[in-house]
Amino acid sequence: DSGVTQTPKHLITATGQRVTLRCSPRSGDLSVYWYQQSLDQGLQFLIQYYNGEERAKGNILERFSAQQFPDLHSELNLSSLELGDSALYFCASSPGLLYEQYFGPGTRLTVT
Amino acid sequence: AQKVTQAQTEISVVEKEDVTLDCVYETRDTTYYLFWYKQPPSGELVFLIRRNSFDEQNEISGRYSWNFQKSTSSFNFTITASQVVDSAVYFCALSELGYGGATNKLIFGTGTLLAVQP
Repeated sequence: DSGVTQTPKHLITATGQRVTLRCSPRSGDLSVYWYQQSLDQGLQFLIQYYNGEERAKGNILERFSAQQFPDLHSELNLSSLELGDSALYFCASSPGLLYEQYFGPGTRLTVT
Repeated sequence: AQKVTQAQTEISVVEKEDVTLDCVYETRDTTYYLFWYKQPPSGELVFLIRRNSFDEQNEISGRYSWNFQKSTSSFNFTITASQVVDSAVYFCALSELGYGGATNKLIFGTGTLLAVQP
């Protein structure tokens, strides 16, 4: 158990809908990262927050947004969902900016 | 451009065999970090090791060992006396400091599926 929690574990929704994925980092970790894992794209970095501020952005679609709250938990919002958004979404956390990242169990999103 | 290549898509070995997973990376930065993660069938990503670009010493942890060679831009991972529980997808990843040392995003390879047969 990495100490990073993600909810929900599974999510099934229809095209066009909006969902929110939630992540609680390990105790004391200030940095949160979101990654998407799909069969065709592999593991891709989406976005990073450090102590509430956005630090880095990857190939994150405009339909996707995220934030990190004062208690350091983070949410990833996915809207206008398409079939191609079906994937495993991981959250990871690290104490700071130069440390290894510990991953949560992931949220499996299925868009039908 | 940063890139991580794991040329071996799938490896199958019999228990107790040694196996080496290859990882080749590309980066223009002089300061970077390399990682290995394990993804067992249950799906979670498990951190195995982090190495910085200034430390080329090989590392051994139990049956696991890592060989970092800057001259060939490689960071290979060897499992000695493999066991069925080692069956998983193994990812190599690269992290650069980014602007002002401000980021740590991971660039992953495509992974190597290791199947250890009893």
